[in-house]
Amino acid sequence: GENVEQHPSTLSVQEGDSAVIKCTYSDSASNYFPWYKQELGKRPQLIIDIRSNVGEKKDQRIAVTLNKTAKHFSLHITETQPEDSAVYFCAATSDTGRRALTFGSGTRLQVQP
Amino acid sequence: EAQVTQNPRYLITVTGKKLTVTCSQNMNHEYMSWYRQDPGLGLRQIYYSMNVEVTDKGDVPEGYKVSRKEKRNFPLILESPSPNQTSLYFCASSWTGMNTEAFFGQGTRLTVV
Repeated sequence: GENVEQHPSTLSVQEGDSAVIKCTYSDSASNYFPWYKQELGKRPQLIIDIRSNVGEKKDQRIAVTLNKTAKHFSLHITETQPEDSAVYFCAATSDTGRRALTFGSGTRLQVQP
Repeated sequence: EAQVTQNPRYLITVTGKKLTVTCSQNMNHEYMSWYRQDPGLGLRQIYYSMNVEVTDKGDVPEGYKVSRKEKRNFPLILESPSPNQTSLYFCASSWTGMNTEAFFGQGTRLTVV
């Protein structure tokens, strides 16, 4: 089955700096890669996703890049703000089989004001 | 408002006492799923359902049951809870699989003593 590894487990940045979270996956059949943000005590919420036919996607201060050959994808947050503080999860799945998301172990991002 | 609703939000129970966590969605989604979240492990799929009367095991199904008699409801049943089932549980729904945007419930924090 799919295995997703995520690094780092914790990340502390100063407000205004950039943050990068990296994930690798094992199953070459995976073709959908979402990122979820989970604030303390809340549910995971989708913030951005990318499909395997695209190398990069951007939404305001958030961007995701995908390298299919190397089987890794990354989340980039620019101009970080205190409200970006949360746990971020990467995930992977495919269009076949049980279409379940396999999640990384999460990154706790702390943005210091 | 489009949403996934879980109940209860918090539950403390004793070993062996059967319990049910309910999940309901109002988006007419075909795919529903249960995940458990444990520190350092991310979210892991317990069971999923691709449509009414169609359910199957995820990555960690032992000790759990589900049913899908109606499209909107997908209850999680613990017939004989044990302390290792103490966890944070999330129900999720999506159109045809987790390869499309998944919406999560508020979560149920279960403690088995």
